[in-house]
Amino acid sequence: QKEVEQDPGPLSVPEGAIVSLNCTYSNSAFQYFMWYRQYSRKGPELLMYTYSSGNKEDGRFTAQVDKSSKYISLFIRDSQPSDSATYLCAMSAKSSASKIIFGSGTRLSIRP
Amino acid sequence: NAGVTQTPKFQVLKTGQSMTLQCAQDMNHEYMSWYRQDPGMGLRLIHYSVGAGITDQGEVPNGYNVSRSTTEDFPLRLLSAAPSQTSVYFCASSYSAGARPQETQYFGPGTRLLVL
Repeated sequence: QKEVEQDPGPLSVPEGAIVSLNCTYSNSAFQYFMWYRQYSRKGPELLMYTYSSGNKEDGRFTAQVDKSSKYISLFIRDSQPSDSATYLCAMSAKSSASKIIFGSGTRLSIRP
Repeated sequence: NAGVTQTPKFQVLKTGQSMTLQCAQDMNHEYMSWYRQDPGMGLRLIHYSVGAGITDQGEVPNGYNVSRSTTEDFPLRLLSAAPSQTSVYFCASSYSAGARPQETQYFGPGTRLLVL
């Protein structure tokens, strides 16, 4: 079983919709949670970073962490065609913060 | 700043050949790492370094060597290439070594490697 599970999609939604992307994990030691965006044939770029539980908002993006359920989410409001990309969740434990484990990524397409 | 640069962009190797993937950053970052990305597998950590002279293994280190003689450079060596090493390789760097390198991790553009 993978430590981090992520639905590969693809997920296709109309422009303006709210998008929900999710990951589940099995390692209860994970404390740091990240979301990356990766455009086709490019390197990933860090979108959101959260520590432990709770919500974090940045513009149209909201990251949520539910440690009791071992579940994290990324919400995108007012989605735009430019949001079309692969979104990867990533996480690491406090004791081994340098070892970052990634999900396999969800491919998202926003239809104009 | 150029950020994180990787060379070459694309490489074809024959089984058994060796090569070095280059990675450099000009942000004075302490933490650098190498990942490979395969379809359906996400990014997997190969090796990482928390500073010059210090390296450690990640999830999938077999078949790869690294060294870190300067802050700027972190080359990845394939000792004897195998078809299973066909992948896209990404180098990343961060200024927050130790406690929270994940806070500001920047990725390079990647090297596509095909091993025949």
